[in-house]
Amino acid sequence: EVQLVESGGGLVQPGRSLRLSCRASGFTFGDDAMSWVRQAPGKGLEWVGFIRSKAYGGTTVYAASVKGRFTISRDDSKSIAYLQMNSLKIEDTAVYYCTRQVSPFYFDYWGQGTLVTVSS
Amino acid sequence: QSVLTQPPSASGTPGQRVTISCSGSSSNIGSNTVNWYQQLPGTAPKLLIYSNNQRPSGVPDRFSGSKSGTSASLAISGLQSEDEADYYCAAWDDSLNDYVFGTGTKVTVL
Repeated sequence: EVQLVESGGGLVQPGRSLRLSCRASGFTFGDDAMSWVRQAPGKGLEWVGFIRSKAYGGTTVYAASVKGRFTISRDDSKSIAYLQMNSLKIEDTAVYYCTRQVSPFYFDYWGQGTLVTVSS
Repeated sequence: QSVLTQPPSASGTPGQRVTISCSGSSSNIGSNTVNWYQQLPGTAPKLLIYSNNQRPSGVPDRFSGSKSGTSASLAISGLQSEDEADYYCAAWDDSLNDYVFGTGTKVTVL
């Protein structure tokens, strides 16, 4: 059974940093791309970015709203994907979901989400 | 601000057919496949339809997707109470280099 479990959310002040983790199980983590998607309170879904598998260079692509501030990485030996968030803004407040990304481009499994609140 | 437009709400009585539209442009729906996600209240989204009209294992055949030009639609036939949820369309956008979600549609079973 595929499972994605996010952790690391919490309350953080504007301008500070936070790192989220996504622990995967039930599939060969290293074979798949992983994406992060967020949802602000009471709002719709917003894609944050993704990281390709090592077989495809392990490269990353980000949404314009987070480019230069957020970094996605992966540790295939631990089956964990990370989302490093720097220079956080109030508008980054959201539930952050980790997803497994499948070609051509969709998300077939989602974690339960972790809430990040940016507030002073 | 989303580039994929959906009606904010849709409703029907049990057993009815409900259709949700998703309007985009040549850079997203017009040139890439469309996916649909269902989000039940208080839960994480779930993949409902991928590659325009494919259902993942376990998704009832009451759900169907289609695409024509720069628009797509999701149909729910034989509406059931457990179908009350938010539904989002999504597609890659070649111009924005971004995966874009629709504005979302809340389905209510009357």
